Amino acid sequence: RKEVEQDPGPFNVPEGATVAFNCTYSNSASQSFFWYRQDCRKEPKLLMSVYSSGNEDGRFTAQLNRASQYISLLIRDSKLSDSATYLCVVNIGSSASKIIFGSGTRLSIRP
Amino acid sequence: GAVVSQHPSWVICKSGTSVKIECRSLDFQATTMFWYRQFPKQSLMLMATSNEGSKATYEQGVEKDKFLINHASLTLSTLTVTSAHPEDSSFYICSASHRGNYGYTFGSGTRLTVV
Repeated sequence: RKEVEQDPGPFNVPEGATVAFNCTYSNSASQSFFWYRQDCRKEPKLLMSVYSSGNEDGRFTAQLNRASQYISLLIRDSKLSDSATYLCVVNIGSSASKIIFGSGTRLSIRP
Repeated sequence: GAVVSQHPSWVICKSGTSVKIECRSLDFQATTMFWYRQFPKQSLMLMATSNEGSKATYEQGVEKDKFLINHASLTLSTLTVTSAHPEDSSFYICSASHRGNYGYTFGSGTRLTVV
């Protein structure tokens, strides 16, 4: 089993739709969680950290379920510019020494 | 915000030659730098963790004699791909943690093509 698993997609949704991604992780000792966005041929950029209580940043909402070992990302009122690959990232170490990337979920927003 | 500058952004080299990739943290001290490789349509794979002033820690399956990592200062880490082969063609990215466990800043990546 992979340490971090994501549905690769692609998700193809119309502009304005709400879309959700899930990501599961296998190491129950995982410390911190993030969602990154990667555009084609570019480096990943931090979208948001994921906190135990759940957190929201504009149209984006991230949630963590430690019991079931998954994190989610919800995008509301999707824009064309949201088209990208979304990477689930898990730090399984007690320091910044072991971060694992999911394989990414491709999202394509159509007009 | 924290910036990691990575050079070169792309390089084409002949098989058998060596290529050096540099990553510099511009406005913070990066005691730890991570080096990743990403093949087309695949996720980032951690190659090694570089710690300032000590030897890098390589992930399983990554040849330390082929991918030489040097982290001589708190702001500079280099990855040298030695005796490059076409199968080494990939997107190489570095990243550094500047806020403990609260996120990582990536370099802009280096697209290496070995012909």
